[in-house]
Amino acid sequence: AQKVTQAQTEISVVEKEDVTLDCVYETRDTTYYLFWYKQPPSGELVFLIRRNSFDEQNEISGRYSWNFQKSTSSFNFTITASQVVDSAVYFCALSDDSGSARQLTFGSGTQLTVLP
Amino acid sequence: GAGVSQSPRYKVAKRGQDVALRCDPISGHVSLFWYQQALGQGPEFLTYFQNEAQLDKSGLPSDRFFAERPEGSVSTLKIQRTQQEDSAVYLCASSLVRGPNTEAFFGQGTRLTVV
Repeated sequence: AQKVTQAQTEISVVEKEDVTLDCVYETRDTTYYLFWYKQPPSGELVFLIRRNSFDEQNEISGRYSWNFQKSTSSFNFTITASQVVDSAVYFCALSDDSGSARQLTFGSGTQLTVLP
Repeated sequence: GAGVSQSPRYKVAKRGQDVALRCDPISGHVSLFWYQQALGQGPEFLTYFQNEAQLDKSGLPSDRFFAERPEGSVSTLKIQRTQQEDSAVYLCASSLVRGPNTEAFFGQGTRLTVV
């Protein structure tokens, strides 16, 4: 069975601070995919990143970076120099080797509030 | 439209009432997914269509839940005899094809409240 744990329910930071959102996963699959989604107050899930289990290279996209560590089954997400517009609920998700949205197992989410 | 459109955005139903939730996927998207998101939780998979074929309905919580996509585009999620535990946001997503290299786009969801 697959499981995703986001232990941080809520985080508040002041604008321009860096913040890391933790994600720990469990799976018996040898090939799998990890995702991060952002859910702003408007409700839609916005895709941020997808990584497969064979690619442990860390990735940076602007102010966003992701640290994938297979040894600890973690896929953490860091926002550098946070902005008020980053305020949202962030979900980590796990998929089997199809990588399809059909097989997504989501964590319970982390509510990030960035204060001006 | 440019994205996945869901209607209504909000629905209040009396317990026992039937409801129908609509999803308009992105034009040309083959795959369509329904998810249920309870308050304070992550979305949970309900069902999946490839064109008009419902290939997986393993996540539907009971036989009161029914989904269709008769022409391979618009989909409707129907809930019969609603109960309070059905209160949730119902999210629809679509993707061009199934697989790891195709991003799924989510709609804004329908928030269902059963009173």
